[in-house]
Amino acid sequence: DADVTQTPRNRITKTGKRIMLECSQTKGHDRMYWYRQDPGLGLRLIYYSFDVKDINKGEISDGYSVSRQAQAKFSLSLESAIPNQTALYFCATSEGGFNYGYTFGSGTRLTVV
Amino acid sequence: KNEVEQSPQNLTAQEGEFITINCSYSVGISALHWLQQHPGGGIVSLFMLSSGKKKHGRLIATINIQEKHSSLHITASHPRDSAVYICAAHSGAGSYQLTFGKGTKLSVIP
Repeated sequence: DADVTQTPRNRITKTGKRIMLECSQTKGHDRMYWYRQDPGLGLRLIYYSFDVKDINKGEISDGYSVSRQAQAKFSLSLESAIPNQTALYFCATSEGGFNYGYTFGSGTRLTVV
Repeated sequence: KNEVEQSPQNLTAQEGEFITINCSYSVGISALHWLQQHPGGGIVSLFMLSSGKKKHGRLIATINIQEKHSSLHITASHPRDSAVYICAAHSGAGSYQLTFGKGTKLSVIP
């Protein structure tokens, strides 16, 4: 099994629908992140969490929310999807402190029509 | 804010060629990652380095902290090396914040 698992891998949804992307990890890392990747742009941070009780906005959090259900689980929700949220979404984990190693999931390709 | 620039944006090489991808950043960093993304999307961490040089198989990553520059080299390139290569920098000691370059798309032709 992958260290960081994202579900679903692909999703097509309609404008206005609520959708949840899920991420689970077996790395035992405290820090989890959600990133968005658009063609021609670098990955951009949506939300991050340093532990179960800690949730922080990233640079592009508008239109998104997250839930950290357990150390191993971090979900991203689009409350009312819009077409410009069509993108590739990545979950990632890191150990934190001065250990800078990152592990990425395989990505979720989301299309909003 | 740290700016991370990669060059070239696109690179086509013949199998067997030596390849160099460059990454420069604008402010001091604590560590830099080189990542690989194959078609189909998944991102794999190749290297994380804060000084000097690291080698893994045919891949070599170097960083020059004074010049704010890192390079990824691929020796004896192979079609399976075709992917997007991304550099990403941590700004500041203990910083969670990663700033990503836009990536270099490498195509290796047999």
